[in-house]
Amino acid sequence: DAKTTQPNSMESNEEEPVHLPCNHSTISGTDYIHWYRQLPSQGPEYVIHGLTSNVNNRMASLAIAEDRKSSTLILHRATLRDAAVYYCISIAGGTSYGKLTFGQGTILTVHP
Amino acid sequence: DTGVSQNPRHKITKRGQNVTFRCDPISEHNRLYWYRQTLGQGPEFLTYFQNEAQLEKSRLLSDRFSAERPKGSFSTLEIQRTEQGDSAMYLCASRRDGGHSYEQYFGPGTRLTVT
Repeated sequence: DAKTTQPNSMESNEEEPVHLPCNHSTISGTDYIHWYRQLPSQGPEYVIHGLTSNVNNRMASLAIAEDRKSSTLILHRATLRDAAVYYCISIAGGTSYGKLTFGQGTILTVHP
Repeated sequence: DTGVSQNPRHKITKRGQNVTFRCDPISEHNRLYWYRQTLGQGPEFLTYFQNEAQLEKSRLLSDRFSAERPKGSFSTLEIQRTEQGDSAMYLCASRRDGGHSYEQYFGPGTRLTVT
């Protein structure tokens, strides 16, 4: 699994978009990029994943660079409930076990 | 879909005692994971089950730790002779087979405090 690098913390105002970056320069062609988040006092929660194309779901969008060495999680309108630690995780495709290797993540603070 | 449940939610024990945690995964999920999380850190992988078979164990899982999933349903994690360094949140996660998503569903965790 490729190593990922994220900023330690970011801040946003409520109802503004948030762009959370992640670098994964050693990613291989079959590695999937997953994002999880962890709200205070809860277990991590899956947000989104992708391989090459940009992805959208009800929670967020994932923009993957053309060279796949970086990606950005986009929260279109941050709410106070989005305040959490966001983890970017690279998982090798074809890995039968699928264990997650978490880094330090990015602490997102949302101001009212 | 009732989600992943873990019991107990909190456990306080004295050093040297044994503790056991239980995880009930989502019913159709045959893959089950245990992680440990200390304050300010991301979760760390401990062990993985596919059905009842334990297929991977982290080096973090010392001899004092043992995990089982006897019928491929619920799982238990036991820590023998607890040490203060075992104080952490123990998280369980499950997922179904197949597809490209490694989406895991996490339980709320069991917070262990060793005094």
